[in-house]
Amino acid sequence: AQSVTQLGSHVSVSEGALVLLRCNYSSSVPPYLFWYVQYPNQGLQLLLKYTTGATLVKGINGFEAEFKKSETSFHLTKPSAHMSDAAEYFCAVSDTDSSYKLIFGSGTRLLVRP
Amino acid sequence: SQTIHQWPATLVQPVGSPLSLECTVEGTSNPNLYWYRQAAGRGLQLLFYSVGIGQISSEVPQNLSASRPQDRQFILSSKKLLLSDSGFYLCAWQQGWNQPQHFGDGTRLSIL
Repeated sequence: AQSVTQLGSHVSVSEGALVLLRCNYSSSVPPYLFWYVQYPNQGLQLLLKYTTGATLVKGINGFEAEFKKSETSFHLTKPSAHMSDAAEYFCAVSDTDSSYKLIFGSGTRLLVRP
Repeated sequence: SQTIHQWPATLVQPVGSPLSLECTVEGTSNPNLYWYRQAAGRGLQLLFYSVGIGQISSEVPQNLSASRPQDRQFILSSKKLLLSDSGFYLCAWQQGWNQPQHFGDGTRLSIL
């Protein structure tokens, strides 16, 4: 079965520093990949998605992610963190057993220090 | 554009009481619909999904049930709530296979 691993349940960066949130998936076929952001007491908002084509995907709020098949990774980055980026981030992958379902990682809480 | 509505935003219920949470989607037709639960500090747990009217798939055994009486309406119910039913309930919709899911603002359910 598919799985998604997000390394680090909490990541802390200084404002203006690089943000790197890690996501690895297990799949023998190229999956569809997504990153979501969740602010307190809100639903999940889609940041970006990878389906096919260019492996570097740009999303909203200055975030981008790169699909690396050889590393089975889809890490999320942002060159310069802003205080408003503090939130929970979830990586998700399409389920190869059921195209109706997404498999979510356990989430990474990003803390931005002033 | 498509929008998704969930209500109520917060709910406090006594143990043993019934539950009905509603979710509606606008601006699309025949979406796949989902109910998730998020316990405090935890990830997402898929509870139910539906690919059409009257079609419900259950992911985990529990005292909750779901129904889809109309194309863009998804309801989560319980006859008798347990303390363990507390959590943040999220509804989501998806248009087509392998597409992203889009989430509502959630319902915070507290059981006393």
